[in-house]
Amino acid sequence: EVVLTQSPVTLSLSPGARVTLSCRASQSVDSYLAWYQQSPGQPPRLLIYDASNRATGIPARFSGSGSGTDFTLTISSLEPEDFAVYYCQQRSNWPITFGQGTRLEIK
Amino acid sequence: QVQLVESGGGVVQPGGSLRLSCADSGFTFSNFGMHWIRQAPGKGLEWVAVISYDGRFEYYADSVKGRFTIFRDNSKHTLYLQMNSLRPEDTAIYYCARKLMGGDYFDPWGQGTLVTVSS
Repeated sequence: EVVLTQSPVTLSLSPGARVTLSCRASQSVDSYLAWYQQSPGQPPRLLIYDASNRATGIPARFSGSGSGTDFTLTISSLEPEDFAVYYCQQRSNWPITFGQGTRLEIK
Repeated sequence: QVQLVESGGGVVQPGGSLRLSCADSGFTFSNFGMHWIRQAPGKGLEWVAVISYDGRFEYYADSVKGRFTIFRDNSKHTLYLQMNSLRPEDTAIYYCARKLMGGDYFDPWGQGTLVTVSS
């Protein structure tokens, strides 16, 4: 199965900062990668699909890039509600797999 | 507004069975594939199973294959997960999620239902 490794595991930043999260796949997943945000006590929310397409209703400060094995999620200016856990997910190969998550904390 | 509501979670002994349900409202349920994803307490996300829009295709994670069955009743706008031979490691919040039209991504998700396998 495709193993997705996210880095860093935890990140502490201040509101207004720019942040880039990484997701690396153990083999190529082409552009078949998504990003999700999960706030405490809530289900995950789809942010980005097919590496760079924003899901419906997602603010423009969220952007995704990458292909093959290396992907990034960028938040251009952190809002208070952005402090959450972020997961990447691939659909290129069965089974569908997720990364272990990156926790974004308020500094 | 699409809404998915899971039910059927609870506490069950190892070796026991449980059936989860996921009822939709607000979209044409029969047009979309559906997934189950789970999350053990304090842990990450694990994909569990998928079913096609018409119920003809199913696929499972190795960790549940042969024990869990995904099925749907389009006339009732409801998705199910029959879980047999439950193990303590199956303890998790179980989410249902709609398959995105363009591929196997998940949007939206239900609020989840907690399954606890313990003696």
